[in-house]
Amino acid sequence: KQEVTQIPAALSVPEGENLVLNCSFTDSAIYNLQWFRQDPGKGLTSLLLIQSSQREQTSGRLNASLDKSSGRSTLYIAASQPGDSATYLCAVRPRAGNNRKLIWGLGTSLAVNP
Amino acid sequence: AAGVIQSPRHLIKEKRETATLKCYPIPRHDTVYWYQQGPGQDPQFLISFYEKMQSDKGSIPDRFSAQQFSDYHSELNMSSLELGDSALYFCASSLVREGLGEQFFGPGTRLTVL
Repeated sequence: KQEVTQIPAALSVPEGENLVLNCSFTDSAIYNLQWFRQDPGKGLTSLLLIQSSQREQTSGRLNASLDKSSGRSTLYIAASQPGDSATYLCAVRPRAGNNRKLIWGLGTSLAVNP
Repeated sequence: AAGVIQSPRHLIKEKRETATLKCYPIPRHDTVYWYQQGPGQDPQFLISFYEKMQSDKGSIPDRFSAQQFSDYHSELNMSSLELGDSALYFCASSLVREGLGEQFFGPGTRLTVL
């Protein structure tokens, strides 16, 4: 059974720091992995999607890597800003069974302090 | 660009009442997903539809039902509401037949059961 874990659960950093959020999954048989951002009580915004054949994706100050064999993904945020404060969730789309639903981590709650 | 639309954005119901949530996917997307997110929890997959047919079923209670219509919009019907049904309900859509499967989420409907 696929399980997704995110570490740390919460992170507080001063503005300007570079930071790394971690996501691990137990079954490497995935189609893709997605990183999302969620503001308190709000919707989910897709940040980056990495296909299983890819190693990384970049969007602006965000860079996500995928090491499928070790079941790990990292989200790197460069030069963090207070506006980056949110919960970051990763989710995998497994190959096993019906492959359309996502399996989610519990998220990392990020606070960037001015 | 068009996004996933959900209505209503907020809904307050009494116990044992019924509720209907609506979702309008991104144009041309062939798959719709419903998720439930309780306070401080990760999104839980409820049900999905591919080309108007139910494609996967998750932890959806028997009191809930859903369908996708000919115009691809979907409705989640919830009956005999319980206090524990209070949550954020997200709809997502994706274009599965083109292989990417990236899920785009709507803003959610916040359901409060009193």
